Amino acid sequence: GAVVSQHPSRVICKSGTSVKIECRSLDFQATTMFWYRQFPKQSLMLMATSNEGSKATYEQGVEKDKFLINHASLTLSTLTVTSAHPEDSSFYICSAEAFFGVNIQYFGAGTRLSVL
Amino acid sequence: GQQVMQIPQYQHVQEGEDFTTYCNSSTTLSNIQWYKQRPGGHPVFLIQLVKSGEVKKQKRLTFQFGEAKKNSSLHITATQTTDVGTYFCAGPRGGGATNKLIFGTGTLLAVQP
Repeated sequence: GAVVSQHPSRVICKSGTSVKIECRSLDFQATTMFWYRQFPKQSLMLMATSNEGSKATYEQGVEKDKFLINHASLTLSTLTVTSAHPEDSSFYICSAEAFFGVNIQYFGAGTRLSVL
Repeated sequence: GQQVMQIPQYQHVQEGEDFTTYCNSSTTLSNIQWYKQRPGGHPVFLIQLVKSGEVKKQKRLTFQFGEAKKNSSLHITATQTTDVGTYFCAGPRGGGATNKLIFGTGTLLAVQP
């Protein structure tokens, strides 16, 4: 099956620093990748859609200057949390879209961000 | 705004018992997908349903899409400890032709051996 790698799996940083999270599709090309945020025991909330070669589209309420997304190639999208604050602490998960008869999203393992 | 609710939020069963989670959307959906997320893990795609009234089976799992395409269910027969996790339904944002998904609230299944 399709594999999506997300790195790092866990990061602890000081308030005010920036954190970059990488999402790679290892064995397929993904024109579209998605970034989600998940709070403990809650559902996944779509933050933004990352499109290769074009600007990301952000969901309502998500600050694009806070969460910078770059989709530089068909296998890599990055999410940078700029000037992170404690309220940004969360579980961030990426997914890459692949077509195997139907459009399926394959998810990375997620990144747990803790901002001190 | 668009909402996708699931009930129950949590279900605890004895191994061998059946389990059902229900998914209800505030809008009509062109399709519905189901995902499973193990504790500490990431969502894994299970299936997609497209047709009104469609029923699909995967071994002990039975998925159904409602006639009105606003609700769906997942039924597990004779649960096993490997079934533990949170089950999410997901549909297209706005209900129509988009690849953006809105996820349901999820049902956490605990299975006691």
